[in-house]
Amino acid sequence: DILMTQSPSTLSASVGDRVTITCRASQNIDSWLAWYQQKPGKAPRLLIYEASHLESGVTSRFSGSGSGTEFTLTISSLRPDDLATYHCQQYKSYPWTFGQGTKVEIK
Amino acid sequence: QVQLVQSGAEVKKPGASVKVSCKASGYTFTSDDINWMRQATGQGLEWMGWMNPNSGNSYSAQSFQGRVTMTRTTATNTAYLELSSLRSDDTAVYYCATGRRATTMYGPLNQYYFDQWGQGTLITVSS
Repeated sequence: DILMTQSPSTLSASVGDRVTITCRASQNIDSWLAWYQQKPGKAPRLLIYEASHLESGVTSRFSGSGSGTEFTLTISSLRPDDLATYHCQQYKSYPWTFGQGTKVEIK
Repeated sequence: QVQLVQSGAEVKKPGASVKVSCKASGYTFTSDDINWMRQATGQGLEWMGWMNPNSGNSYSAQSFQGRVTMTRTTATNTAYLELSSLRSDDTAVYYCATGRRATTMYGPLNQYYFDQWGQGTLITVSS
């Protein structure tokens, strides 16, 4: 199985800050990576697919980059509504696997 | 709009089985695979498998093979996940989600991410 490792596990940032979350794959997954946002008590919501493609309806404050084994999710200017846990998921090969999540807190 | 509405929370004893439903609306039920994931408290998401509502074919992750059954009733646009021989570590929120197929300039691939999610169903396994 492909192991997905996110860092940090938790981050605390102020409104307006630029925030970056990293996701590393244990083997090459090309650009077959998705990012999800999960607000407390809610289901995940798709933000980005194929590493850098913004899902329809998602604010352009979110962006994704990377390929191979290292990927980043960036929030350009943090807002209170961005309080959530962010998950990466590889879909290069079965079984589809997720990172352990990164919790974003607002200072 | 696309909606996936799941059945309510359940409490089960170890060794029992549970069946979770996922009712789809707002799209053609037979056009997209239904995937199942679960999330234990404070943990990451774990993909369990997929079911094709058109054919009824399914595939489960190796860690669940032999314990999970995925079915559907097309007349009611409902997918089901049944998990048997429950253990305490099966306590989790279970999600259904539609799978969106990856595509390239050469055509679609059998690689999926998840674009629409149900609200989740808490299954608690406790004696």
